Amino acid sequence: QQQVKQSPQSLIVQKGGISIINCAYENTAFDYFPWYQQFPGKGPALLIAIRPDVSEKKEGRFTISFNKSAKQFSLHIMDSQPGDSATYFCAATPKRFGAGTRLTVKP
Amino acid sequence: EPEVTQTPSHQVTQMGQEVILRCVPISNHLYFYWYRQILGQKVEFLVSFYNNEISEKSEIFDDQFSVERPDGSNFTLKIRSTKLEDSAMYFCASKFLTGEETQYFGPGTRLLVL
Repeated sequence: QQQVKQSPQSLIVQKGGISIINCAYENTAFDYFPWYQQFPGKGPALLIAIRPDVSEKKEGRFTISFNKSAKQFSLHIMDSQPGDSATYFCAATPKRFGAGTRLTVKP
Repeated sequence: EPEVTQTPSHQVTQMGQEVILRCVPISNHLYFYWYRQILGQKVEFLVSFYNNEISEKSEIFDDQFSVERPDGSNFTLKIRSTKLEDSAMYFCASKFLTGEETQYFGPGTRLLVL
């Protein structure tokens, strides 16, 4: 009931490509779904977040798609850049993190 | 820009020793959190703290752990008798208000228990 499942574990994308990371949750009581970006040696930093009353939220090159009935949400990074190379964590409520996806964007 | 700070950045200790990890949350924030991240693994919630008391804790946060806000600025995590498996990165986070869910994370303390 408390798990957040994230995939893939790692992702390699060419510069300019689209990076897609998926998450699924179990507890329908969760009402806040943030994505965090973490660079090596740093703490997680909030990237973008969504509440279940909307199906999509876009901020710059980053978009969250949310499917409430399937209990799934995903992060899309458009025009991926080498500077986007980091580990990305989804979460349900602020406290329950997915396992993380290590994104590498090749120049 | 205000930020959460943590000290020390690295700590090495012997098994069975007590350690205190320190955090200075953003000054007007009211909610405080500790998380840990074992190397290469996910971030795990330990405890949340509001109004000078624990508001929620995970199953990881057993009797070996305690938190304290000893003054108006510091927020500490104490591990009473460290175990090898306590080796991890420990992150402090804070947020301003209930209903505002954005948590701001500190840079972390890397704890190594030998």
